[in-house]
Amino acid sequence: DTGVSQDPRHKITKRGQNVTFRCDPISEHNRLYWYRQTLGQGPEFLTYFQNEAQLEKSRLLSDRFSAERPKGSFSTLEIQRTEQGDSAMYLCASSHPDGTSGYGYTFGSGTRLTVV
Amino acid sequence: GQNIDQPTEMTATEGAIVQINCTYQTSGFNGLFWYQQHAGEAPTFLSYNVLDGLEEKGRFSSFLSRSKGYSYLLLKELQMKDSASYLCAFYSNDYKLSFGAGTTVTVRA
Repeated sequence: DTGVSQDPRHKITKRGQNVTFRCDPISEHNRLYWYRQTLGQGPEFLTYFQNEAQLEKSRLLSDRFSAERPKGSFSTLEIQRTEQGDSAMYLCASSHPDGTSGYGYTFGSGTRLTVV
Repeated sequence: GQNIDQPTEMTATEGAIVQINCTYQTSGFNGLFWYQQHAGEAPTFLSYNVLDGLEEKGRFSSFLSRSKGYSYLLLKELQMKDSASYLCAFYSNDYKLSFGAGTTVTVRA
């Protein structure tokens, strides 16, 4: 297992376009998280899944954002009608079921989105 | 939120020791993590505390006081490669990590 993979690493898009990011978690992890990070700030929670069920969505996640994890494996995060304020690093992480392994989350390398 | 508070920046010289403090609201506490993040990269795990006391791991140690809602990360024998952002993260009992804004540590020769 090579860890958490995210694709693409970088995305530049024009304002108003839709974008979709993919995350492949560590195979035995059943929890998957999406975070957003802007310069000089810590990661902000967006949403998380346990298997295929989306258990929580942050109030930061407007109705332009949607996330799926259809088979409980990989996940996608879609942003519709992108705005310049959406420019950020989007981080995906996964964790063991009980979350108490002492290793916390394992993060992917992130997708850096630039909206021009 | 958990009102996680940590200093914005710290500077130290190579070989020195730096202590990064973190305070948080204690409600729903399930653990306290420290992550290191180099510019443009993902956070990587450094330490985890769930009980009071000091956890030592090589040059890095982390301390927790649950009753005070307080933790610190101690970096000893600083090296240039330790220049990075250090994130304090509150692990809640609904299995979510909430991060502080991070402390940028600059190590000077």
